Amino acid sequence: QQQVKQSPQSLIVQKGGISIINCAYENTAFDYFPWYQQFPGKGPALLIAIRPDVSEKKEGRFTISFNKSAKQFSLHIMDSQPGDSATYFCAARNQGGKLIFGQGTELSVKP
Amino acid sequence: NAGVMQNPRHLVRRRGQEARLRCSPMKGHSHVYWYRQLPEEGLKFMVYLQKENIIDESGMPKERFSAEFPKEGPSILRIQQVVRGDSAAYFCASSPRTSGSYEQFFGPGTRLTVL
Repeated sequence: QQQVKQSPQSLIVQKGGISIINCAYENTAFDYFPWYQQFPGKGPALLIAIRPDVSEKKEGRFTISFNKSAKQFSLHIMDSQPGDSATYFCAARNQGGKLIFGQGTELSVKP
Repeated sequence: NAGVMQNPRHLVRRRGQEARLRCSPMKGHSHVYWYRQLPEEGLKFMVYLQKENIIDESGMPKERFSAEFPKEGPSILRIQQVVRGDSAAYFCASSPRTSGSYEQFFGPGTRLTVL
């Protein structure tokens, strides 16, 4: 299966809180899992990415947790800020190189 | 370093006209991917090209759509006889190579409106 399922569709978090977005996949041949951030009218920007042989990766306030056995991965945004308000997409790369995207999560961080 | 460049940023066409979307990859990148984003939806893969070769076009509609990445110049996504359902944002991404370096960097997109 070439699908990636993402939840929730939308998320409201208070400033300083933790934002958590989840993704699940079925194809065990996926070999790379990036997260993209997209602001209205802009292209997706690569935020952070992980390979399946690693269980966690942290870059600043952004952390990916990866559970290979459950075929799930999640993005945690610590100390969420109003400037983090955007749409976030998880993706999975198949061995042919193309990215399969989740449906997106619209994050709103309230001041 | 210039990022991925796309032009035009906005394109308006009437039904039946042709749309040509251009993508210049990042310097040193020889792999180009095209994705389409319909309103309120995620990005869907369309086609993957290397210089002068189409590697994977499994996401391209069978008719009216074509893509190329010539030896010289930008990659072109061409939509013939556009219909209203073609209205979307079209994004190009580039990558240095598929194995060992997986990152795909996206351009700002071309927003196509079909009247």
